[in-house]
Amino acid sequence: GAVVSQHPSWVICKSGTSVKIECRSLDFQATTMFWYRQFPKQSLMLMATSNEGSKATYEQGVEKDKFLINHASLTLSTLTVTSAHPEDSSFYICSANGGGSGYEQYFGPGTRLTVT
Amino acid sequence: SQQGEEDPQALSIQEGENATMNCSYKTSINNLQWYRQNSGRGLVHLILIRSNEREKHSGRLRVTLDTSKKSSSLLITASRAADTASYFCATDDTGFQKLVFGTGTRLLVSP
Repeated sequence: GAVVSQHPSWVICKSGTSVKIECRSLDFQATTMFWYRQFPKQSLMLMATSNEGSKATYEQGVEKDKFLINHASLTLSTLTVTSAHPEDSSFYICSANGGGSGYEQYFGPGTRLTVT
Repeated sequence: SQQGEEDPQALSIQEGENATMNCSYKTSINNLQWYRQNSGRGLVHLILIRSNEREKHSGRLRVTLDTSKKSSSLLITASRAADTASYFCATDDTGFQKLVFGTGTRLLVSP
């Protein structure tokens, strides 16, 4: 089946620094990937849609200058949390559509970000 | 927010019992999907039901969809301890695979 990986699986950084999270589709090409944020014991909230070769589409209320998304290839999307603050601490999950006629999305294992 | 509601928020049962979770959503949809999430992990796709379908089965899973009531249910039969996880419904109302997730049901299956 389609596999999506994320790196790193967890990261701790200091306030004011930037953190990059990678999302890779390992055995398929993904023209579109999605980035979600999840707080403890809560649901997933879509942050943005990452489109290969073009600008990401951000959901209402998500700061595009804060959460930089780059989808440079058909297998890689990156999310950079710039000038991180403790309130950015969260679980970040990416997903990609497996292609073909299916609508199922394949999710990465998530990245736990803690900002101190 | 268009986020769907799920109930119950938490469900605790014994192995062998059935577990039923319900999901309600707010807009017309193209399809509805159910996902499972083990603690601190990513999501695993369980089943997709299209808007013109009413019921679908996959192994021990049974999903129903009532578009007139904008609701869906997920039934897990003969539950196992390994089914312990959070379960989310997700709807795609744009056709562009932008999923809107429900609030989730935390299922605990005790041996």
